[in-house]
Amino acid sequence: DTGVSQNPRHKITKRGQNVTFRCDPISEHNRLYWYRQTLGQGPEFLTYFQNEAQLEKSRLLSDRFSAERPKGSFSTLEIQRTEQGDSAMYLCASSVIPGQVEDYGYTFGSGTRLTVV
Amino acid sequence: RKEVEQDPGPFNVPEGATVAFNCTYSNSASQSFFWYRQDCRKEPKLLMSVYSSGNEDGRFTAQLNRASQYISLLIRDSKLSDSATYLCVVNPLGAAGNKLTFGGGTRVLVKP
Repeated sequence: DTGVSQNPRHKITKRGQNVTFRCDPISEHNRLYWYRQTLGQGPEFLTYFQNEAQLEKSRLLSDRFSAERPKGSFSTLEIQRTEQGDSAMYLCASSVIPGQVEDYGYTFGSGTRLTVV
Repeated sequence: RKEVEQDPGPFNVPEGATVAFNCTYSNSASQSFFWYRQDCRKEPKLLMSVYSSGNEDGRFTAQLNRASQYISLLIRDSKLSDSATYLCVVNPLGAAGNKLTFGGGTRVLVKP
């Protein structure tokens, strides 16, 4: 296990189609996060899980977006009825449950770049 | 007002020079602070945590000013490989939650 793995790396889809992304976190990490990043902006928080429980969702996460982490290991992010505004890099990150300041850092995956045409 | 604000740059820096830049955060109760580095079309990577007393990691020095709610990063003896976007990151909740809030990034270009 060398890090956080995301698939696919790139996805081009037509407007209105559904897409699903997968994230495999570092195995010892209890927490898993999804962020979205558009060009020239910093990553924006979407949602996070502690084990299999989804603890928080951003208001950015409309009802077209759903995330799951059914067994507390890998996670999927699905976008239904994609829109051109969904085009972005979708980043997954994982971390241990923080106990010290040093634990707060995330490890990010390489991201999935979504283009909606 | 954004929770974390940064000058987007770019900061054009001659190789070997020193560059410094700040970010400001709006939540005075924020607990933890970080600098991440992001290369073009790559994922962010943790550069360093920022401690209240200030801390150094090689050529990089981070400072935290809680009274004025800003964080700074200084890079000494800049290398060409330091060219990247530097993301200021704040954890507003500390141990109560690990949701990091990112600034928009400051772009640094080191030139020969």
